[in-house]
Amino acid sequence: AQKVTQAQTEISVVEKEDVTLDCVYETRDTTYYLFWYKQPPSGELVFLIRRNSFDEQNEISGRYSWNFQKSTSSFNFTITASQVVDSAVYFCALPSNTGKLIFGQGTTLQVKP
Amino acid sequence: DTGVSQDPRHKITKRGQNVTFRCDPISEHNRLYWYRQTLGQGPEFLTYFQNEAQLEKSRLLSDRFSAERPKGSFSTLEIQRTEQGDSAMYLCASSLGGSPYEQYFGPGTRLTVT
Repeated sequence: AQKVTQAQTEISVVEKEDVTLDCVYETRDTTYYLFWYKQPPSGELVFLIRRNSFDEQNEISGRYSWNFQKSTSSFNFTITASQVVDSAVYFCALPSNTGKLIFGQGTTLQVKP
Repeated sequence: DTGVSQDPRHKITKRGQNVTFRCDPISEHNRLYWYRQTLGQGPEFLTYFQNEAQLEKSRLLSDRFSAERPKGSFSTLEIQRTEQGDSAMYLCASSLGGSPYEQYFGPGTRLTVT
């Protein structure tokens, strides 16, 4: 069965600190994709990134970076120089072979000024 | 705005009443998904449509729940004889296809059953 685990329920940092959100997944598929979504206080889930299992290179987008390691079944997300606007719930998700998303429990990030 | 829209944004109803939610996907997207999210949890899949065909339903979708997507455009989710346990955020998402296409979510409908 497919599963996503985000062990960190809540993280609190002070602005400008770096923070890493962990995601561990389980799948028997040899080819798969992983997603990260952000859910700000307004409630709407916002797509951040998609990675496929063939590409283990780190991805960087501005202050965001993602580290995908197949050997440990992890797809971690780092925010560099965090800002108050980064405060949100972050979800890691794994699509099934029918396309539905299997979400982790989410990590609530609070960035204090 | 060409994003996913949902209506209503909030719904308060008494136990035993029926409610219906609407989702309008991004126009060129042929996949439409419904999820339910309770406080402190990630969204859980309910059902999805490929065009007008409902292709998968979760075990979470009891016989009190029904979803339709006539003509492959907007979709409705109806809950009959609501129960307090139905209180949740109901999220709709659309995509160009199945995996690996990303899903774009609407703002959700928050249901409170009193």
